[in-house]
Amino acid sequence: DGGITQSPKYLFRKEGQNVTLSCEQNLNHDAMYWYRQDPGQGLRLIYYSQIVNDFQKGDIAEGYSVSREKKESFPLTVTSAQKNPTAFYLCASSIRQEGVEAFFGQGTRLTVV
Amino acid sequence: AQSVTQLDSHVSVSEGTPVLLRCNYSSSYSPSLFWYVQHPNKGLQLLLKYTSAATLVKGINGFEAEFKKSETSFHLTKPSAHMSDAAEYFCVVSERGRGSYIPTFGRGTSLIVHP
Repeated sequence: DGGITQSPKYLFRKEGQNVTLSCEQNLNHDAMYWYRQDPGQGLRLIYYSQIVNDFQKGDIAEGYSVSREKKESFPLTVTSAQKNPTAFYLCASSIRQEGVEAFFGQGTRLTVV
Repeated sequence: AQSVTQLDSHVSVSEGTPVLLRCNYSSSYSPSLFWYVQHPNKGLQLLLKYTSAATLVKGINGFEAEFKKSETSFHLTKPSAHMSDAAEYFCVVSERGRGSYIPTFGRGTSLIVHP
């Protein structure tokens, strides 16, 4: 079945450690996105990528990094510079066309202790 | 620049009564508009979308939304709420910007359904 897979579902890390969240899609989509979700704030865009080997900062990119070495993969690293990393992270993908919806993974809940 | 305002952070209804979740948008161009639903600790599922065709859009699970350009609104409705409708709902606008069509989300409306 086609879809987006995020792993792991739950992740715990100690403060000061970097952590990488995985996102893989087999939908052959060019565009991929990372969002952060906090209660009452909706989804805020961290990074997005329109094509392999290219990515752009979103609205809240500070303390995060990404790579896009393969079309199907868009991992997100939460670095120690991110001041408040505990959140629910959602990955999405879409084709690059007007009026087309994004497809979402099931999310990763990151807790930093 | 595009933005979305969901006018209610929480909406509470009784099972079997109508549902209205309100959304206003701001867009420089003709936008595409979407409603997504999210159950706890899950990803987002598309309910319906508007892409400049019919202004009344029908979605899954009996939901529908009407695009009103003069009011810049895209409210979500359902004639009769079911317990399984209890979830978080997001209104989303997408227009071409920064070289791509990037979805911008509202803050969400939590729908509570009472028996």
